[in-house]
Amino acid sequence: GQQLNQSPQSMFIQEGEDVSMNCTSSSIFNTWLWYKQDPGEGPVLLIALYKAGELTSNGRLTAQFGITRKDSFLNISASIPSDVGIYFCAGQRGTSGTYKYIFGTGTRLKVLA
Amino acid sequence: DTGVSQNPRHKITKRGQNVTFRCDPISEHNRLYWYRQTLGQGPEFLTYFQNEAQLEKSRLLSDRFSAERPKGSFSTLEIQRTEQGDSAMYLCASSEIAGVYQETQYFGPGTRLLVL
Repeated sequence: GQQLNQSPQSMFIQEGEDVSMNCTSSSIFNTWLWYKQDPGEGPVLLIALYKAGELTSNGRLTAQFGITRKDSFLNISASIPSDVGIYFCAGQRGTSGTYKYIFGTGTRLKVLA
Repeated sequence: DTGVSQNPRHKITKRGQNVTFRCDPISEHNRLYWYRQTLGQGPEFLTYFQNEAQLEKSRLLSDRFSAERPKGSFSTLEIQRTEQGDSAMYLCASSEIAGVYQETQYFGPGTRLLVL
């Protein structure tokens, strides 16, 4: 199935460092969502973005809806051990009768204490 | 708990058997989605419902798969004649629609299927 390009695929960082990841598409999306998934669990919604250029924060997390509507970015500031997990972006066109979400390939984050 | 719930959480079956999974969405969410996720991959769209109408199906949804959402509330996903390649996590999500291009999707905990 179709998946969005997400990078980096994985990263090891020290506790306290900032983290950046992004998601790119060849298609335009009208909604971007960011999720975190722990092993054996369903994805948990972190941030929802609805407008091009929008910048939204949720605690230490900040996400941006790219101006071209073909990309999105997630930043985590001052990482802590519980930030470990897999982060997924998801895009939805919401036009032409299709409302399905397409997910990225995931960024696996490991935080070293 | 008012989140999306899925049952069972785990299912082990023998190849060739039929299995059925249930999803109870967040109440008043009129869109419900099913996804499949294999190890190391992001969720892949299978199908979605708006109320009781199944509006879109992925090509991943072979004729052995069927989903229903009677009365627009809970949904079931059935896999007939299971194959080992069906082993995966099956995720359900429901959506809150706040406006045009303002849909927020929430996931359940998933059902992990293992076909022996």
